[in-house]
Amino acid sequence: KAGVTQTPRYLIKTRGQQVTLSCSPISGHRSVSWYQQTPGQGLQFLFEYFSETQRNKGNFPGRFSGRQFSNSRSEMNVSTLELGDSALYLCASSLLASGFSSTDTQYFGPGTRLTVL
Amino acid sequence: GESVGLHLPTLSVQEGDNSIINCAYSNSASDYFIWYKQESGKGPQFIIDIRSNMDKRQGQRVTVLLNKTVKHLSLQIAATQPGDSAVYFCAEISGGYQKVTFGIGTKLQVIP
Repeated sequence: KAGVTQTPRYLIKTRGQQVTLSCSPISGHRSVSWYQQTPGQGLQFLFEYFSETQRNKGNFPGRFSGRQFSNSRSEMNVSTLELGDSALYLCASSLLASGFSSTDTQYFGPGTRLTVL
Repeated sequence: GESVGLHLPTLSVQEGDNSIINCAYSNSASDYFIWYKQESGKGPQFIIDIRSNMDKRQGQRVTVLLNKTVKHLSLQIAATQPGDSAVYFCAEISGGYQKVTFGIGTKLQVIP
């Protein structure tokens, strides 16, 4: 079974631009979560989608948005990029659970490395 | 490969020795805790979890200890192998399993 895939793997943008990242969950998984990982802050939760609806949201500005399609694939968009948005963006999928569950493990993709110049 | 964190605390251990990685968490009401392993260039991988009503849980070569009194979590890896080299970080979950806070992580280097 294929794992979580994310595209592109690397991206370079300039300040003020916008970017869209894509995540394809494991087949059959309906929950997709997005995270930002930086050396200083570690891993931080952005939002979670289930059945095309955002179920949970972390503490990020409105420039960060996402959506989920009927096939469970998800996209994340960041508008008006800032230097501080440079990070590894990770997506994780799980079968059903909202939040975290010991019976429904989240599987992470390899991430998209975004560099903002 | 990519570096997950440039200024992480580092633990160097000899192959075959036991490793202990520590994590201090912040919320005494956290319900659930997870340890992750992240290898260079890859996403985090679930290792082991523990609920707040337990103080110890064992997996294959790994043990997690939870001390709620001092809000401390540890991951013990027995007979550490070169393949264990990675960044390890903990996650504390609260708010009815909805809110997650991740630790910064510890880089484990295994010396062959």
